[in-house]
Amino acid sequence: HSALTQPPSASGSPGQSVTISCTGTSSDVGGYNFVSWYQQYPGKAPKLMIYEVSKRPSGVPDRFSGSKSGNTASLTVSGLQAEDEADYYCSSFAGSKNGALFGGGTKLTVL
Amino acid sequence: EVQLLESGGGLVQPGGSLRLSCAASGFTFSSYAMSWVRQASGKGLEWVSVIYSGATPTYYADSVKGRFTISRDNSKNTLYLQMDSLRAEDTAVYYCANTQGAAGPFYFDHWGQGTLVTVSS
Repeated sequence: HSALTQPPSASGSPGQSVTISCTGTSSDVGGYNFVSWYQQYPGKAPKLMIYEVSKRPSGVPDRFSGSKSGNTASLTVSGLQAEDEADYYCSSFAGSKNGALFGGGTKLTVL
Repeated sequence: EVQLLESGGGLVQPGGSLRLSCAASGFTFSSYAMSWVRQASGKGLEWVSVIYSGATPTYYADSVKGRFTISRDNSKNTLYLQMDSLRAEDTAVYYCANTQGAAGPFYFDHWGQGTLVTVSS
């Protein structure tokens, strides 16, 4: 099973919105509503930002939202802030025996 | 507060073995599935293995199947990863993560800080 496909980079100015895509197949992203998104700062552990496509854990700002259409999931960050500059990874369940797949990561730059 | 603390990383020669541990606190460890996820330097995340609350079932990524063994000791709130026949491509930071999912690793809601494994001669 191949990794999910994300753009290597994305950027936006403070206050703007940016959307990061995550493309898989019908065996992972398209087959299950178990897409999650993680934020990672350099040298730090990943942090769960979105789970089950569009749900936010407690404490995650509502500026972060998730969606899915077919085999592609998306993370939208609205009202960009400087602290949002980080790497973002998508993940999808790919069946019990195949476990979880991750995307290659997207570096979000706040201009 | 959930805390996960990995240990056991280090430098090992190709073909060698290493056992990682992850000490958990702040939640009912025995009720949750746990996973290992790794990240090579400058690269993305790669799911490695998952173990369910009762120690079975266990699942592995194809890249480590037959070489790595995940286990847990619920009496000690500790997760393990026994890594044998190590290869240079196993070099990475290894994270343990609290895992949600009844039929597989759906998502990872808490992560440790990671332990570095370097496979080199």
